Amino acid sequence: GQNIDQPTEMTATEGAIVQINCTYQTSGFNGLFWYQQHAGEAPTFLSYNVLDGLEEKGRFSSFLSRSKGYSYLLLKELQMKDSASYLCAVKDSNYQLIWGAGTKLIIKP
Amino acid sequence: ETGVTQTPRHLVMGMTNKKSLKCEQHLGHNAMYWYKQSAKKPLELMFVYSLEERVENNSVPSRFSPECPNSSHLFLHLHTLQPEDSALYLCASSEGGGDRSYEQYFGPGTRLTVT
Repeated sequence: GQNIDQPTEMTATEGAIVQINCTYQTSGFNGLFWYQQHAGEAPTFLSYNVLDGLEEKGRFSSFLSRSKGYSYLLLKELQMKDSASYLCAVKDSNYQLIWGAGTKLIIKP
Repeated sequence: ETGVTQTPRHLVMGMTNKKSLKCEQHLGHNAMYWYKQSAKKPLELMFVYSLEERVENNSVPSRFSPECPNSSHLFLHLHTLQPEDSALYLCASSEGGGDRSYEQYFGPGTRLTVT
């Protein structure tokens, strides 16, 4: 079967750095997405990786290793507004998006 | 504001009721999606429409019936639902469906409670 694993919940301190991991086992690979979802709101697109390596976008970076079936989202200089759930999703060989259950990130002052 | 709107935002219905969820996208996208989101579970893709044609139906019970009258509007018709259907229903759109790796833009969702 197809599976996306990410931690259920993480806690970090304002101003610090946090890394949210995502591992996947899918039938084929056509890209990996990260989304942010604040409580009661719509998921919003953060990043897309299809080649190995690090993609940096401001305070957020996303890394991909296709050989390891692994990605992480790195958040720097954490702010209270970064408290949200972070969803990892992979497009399989049929271009179907397979979603993880999300990681709830709690930021403490 | 993502350019995708959903109404109603909250809905409480009995198991014998019939109701409809509405989604509208103002982004000029060609593909639209219905998802079910339950607490602590992955997003479940229900239906995909590409250029107003249903291209995917992930074994969803027949008590859920989608309708896509044009590329900007998507409906989910509900009838004789079960309590386990209570969830957040999210609509999304993207520039292309299928083999195009475009990001999806989500609406705020309809929180559905079946009593």
